[in-house]
Amino acid sequence: DTGVSQDPRHKITKRGQNVTFRCDPISEHNRLYWYRQTLGQGPEFLTYFQNEAQLEKSRLLSDRFSAERPKGSFSTLEIQRTEQGDSAMYLCASSLLGPNQPQHFGDGTRLSIL
Amino acid sequence: AQSVTQPDIHITVSEGASLELRCNYSYGATPYLFWYVQSPGQGLQLLLKYFSGDTLVQGIKGFEAEFKRSQSSFNLRKPSVHWSDAAEYFCAVAAGGGGNKLTFGTGTQLKVEL
Repeated sequence: DTGVSQDPRHKITKRGQNVTFRCDPISEHNRLYWYRQTLGQGPEFLTYFQNEAQLEKSRLLSDRFSAERPKGSFSTLEIQRTEQGDSAMYLCASSLLGPNQPQHFGDGTRLSIL
Repeated sequence: AQSVTQPDIHITVSEGASLELRCNYSYGATPYLFWYVQSPGQGLQLLLKYFSGDTLVQGIKGFEAEFKRSQSSFNLRKPSVHWSDAAEYFCAVAAGGGGNKLTFGTGTQLKVEL
């Protein structure tokens, strides 16, 4: 069990640029989640996958955001035309399928928009 | 929709003193409740979880929490705090099982005085 891995840990970019983050879940975890955390707040749910299917998206996930999990393993989160308000920590979590399975979090990707 | 309230933004305790962090939830059915801890720049680590059964649950690092349905609370406790416990603590609720999206409180920042 190597844990949930996220890359990069930090990303600094200019407003208007596109960015992509990667998440590698714990192997054999069926579910993969993305959350966003701004300073002084708890994480907020963005979207989740069960295997390769994206089952739910939050209204926080504007049309500039897209997430994929093409083979049911790793996932990517892309933000197009970044805005100042996108500055946040983006957290990925994974879990096994089942009502008693907790989510395990990665260390996140810190995005800073200049 | 579910929600979580953590009334205390900051708490300071002396090392060796007891600790109680408050959490109140709102959810129409039986909740699935969690406490996570986050150190600066890191992801979230699961401390403990409640799904059903015994309302007093034990977690890692000497933490415990008690589920009280009548008060809609799930307070976190530790009998003797160590300096390494300084971190931010988040209470979270999941709807329909631990595999579903988490709704977090805004967190409680714990400071430990030596």
